[in-house]
Amino acid sequence: GAGVSQSPRYKVAKRGQDVALRCDPISGHVSLFWYQQALGQGPEFLTYFQNEAQLDKSGLPSDRFFAERPEGSVSTLKIQRTQQEDSAVYLCASSQGTRNQPQHFGDGTRLSIL
Amino acid sequence: QKEVEQNSGPLSVPEGAIASLNCTYSDRGSQSFFWYRQYSGKSPELIMFIYSNGDKEDGRFTAQLNKASQYVSLLIRDSQPSDSATYLCAVNRSNYQLIWGAGTKLIIKP
Repeated sequence: GAGVSQSPRYKVAKRGQDVALRCDPISGHVSLFWYQQALGQGPEFLTYFQNEAQLDKSGLPSDRFFAERPEGSVSTLKIQRTQQEDSAVYLCASSQGTRNQPQHFGDGTRLSIL
Repeated sequence: QKEVEQNSGPLSVPEGAIASLNCTYSDRGSQSFFWYRQYSGKSPELIMFIYSNGDKEDGRFTAQLNKASQYVSLLIRDSQPSDSATYLCAVNRSNYQLIWGAGTKLIIKP
């Protein structure tokens, strides 16, 4: 596709439910990033993939958060047993190479936990 | 001290004037610097990136980098109301990871 595509755009879940957020990066982009953004703040790094390899997951807040990119293209961020503090916008970005090239963002998924 | 600092604003600039946005960073080893624009409810959009000391111009936008003083700035000439947004500064921490400032809210007054 022409840009990074994320789905769903909005997700409302009850506390304790599991959710899955999808990211389809720009075709051919090697690097894929997940961020969490709270209102009025910059994006906070969650995890990084180079092709199918998850090279850094140091930003994942807890073991309830899990991300995968099994074929080196589409990625899924899964949050198990959601808590209210998980409410945020989840952004996915991709970049062409592997060394600090500009990242291009999807429209994000706004997650609300009731 | 935050790794990347920006004045939260809002910065109010008259239409047609120059808007100047500043960002300071703490890691002297940083090599890549990015400016993103984010409209309310939207995702960040890349405006400019700069790797070397000095100025880099692209249309109405100029990025300025001073590694000795550890700051990077973004100038917007002939400001338009459509430039009203939050501007995010991002600096590389490692080969792939960016550290983001909290953003400066810019308001262009007609």
